[in-house]
Amino acid sequence: DAGITQSPRHKVTETGTPVTLRCHQTENHRYMYWYRQDPGHGLRLIHYSYGVKDTDKGEVSDGYSVSRSKTEDFLLTLESATSSQTSVYFCAISESGVLRYNEQFFGPGTRLTVL
Amino acid sequence: AQSVSQHNHHVILSEAASLELGCNYSYGGTVNLFWYVQYPGQHLQLLLKYFSGDPLVKGIKGFEAEFIKSKFSFNLRKPSVQWSDTAEYFCAVNGWNAGNMLTFGGGTRLMVKP
Repeated sequence: DAGITQSPRHKVTETGTPVTLRCHQTENHRYMYWYRQDPGHGLRLIHYSYGVKDTDKGEVSDGYSVSRSKTEDFLLTLESATSSQTSVYFCAISESGVLRYNEQFFGPGTRLTVL
Repeated sequence: AQSVSQHNHHVILSEAASLELGCNYSYGGTVNLFWYVQYPGQHLQLLLKYFSGDPLVKGIKGFEAEFIKSKFSFNLRKPSVQWSDTAEYFCAVNGWNAGNMLTFGGGTRLMVKP
């Protein structure tokens, strides 16, 4: 398995509170991604990073921000959590952005519940 | 824009039955195609991928998929399923001009009865 850890693995929080999820990798891969998984929607890309301090938006970025100050860490922040952000969040990594040569490896996921 | 449809949301099979899960994509150009599997309580793992060449792709655990360009399809097959194949299966597409963006289908939940 690729060396990807996510913390916390489970979190329950209340509407309006800030939440930060952490993804940590030991593979030294350049690209890192945050997805959310919801029933019937598969995985949807929130944000991704193509290097330290280099990030871009994905399909469902509203309400989320990210930061990457080190190659190994990619943080996802919900500034003010809402119930619609209750989901399972997956981090993924890839060596490069050219997916026909490099697959994305996924972390174990974080289950977030916003009450 | 690229999109993926998986029409079978839930499939129930008995052990030894044959499996075919449908995947259709929408993209106006060359694509890379993937099937991922998520076993209960686990993270996504790559089953197989198609980039170019032979449209029949073989993956791990006896799975295969066939890319039919004229039908925009990439169906997943296995001749004889096992109880351990119980999982959720996701098809994903990456258009060559979409950079590193992967778009996933909604998933198919497979239950194999022993």
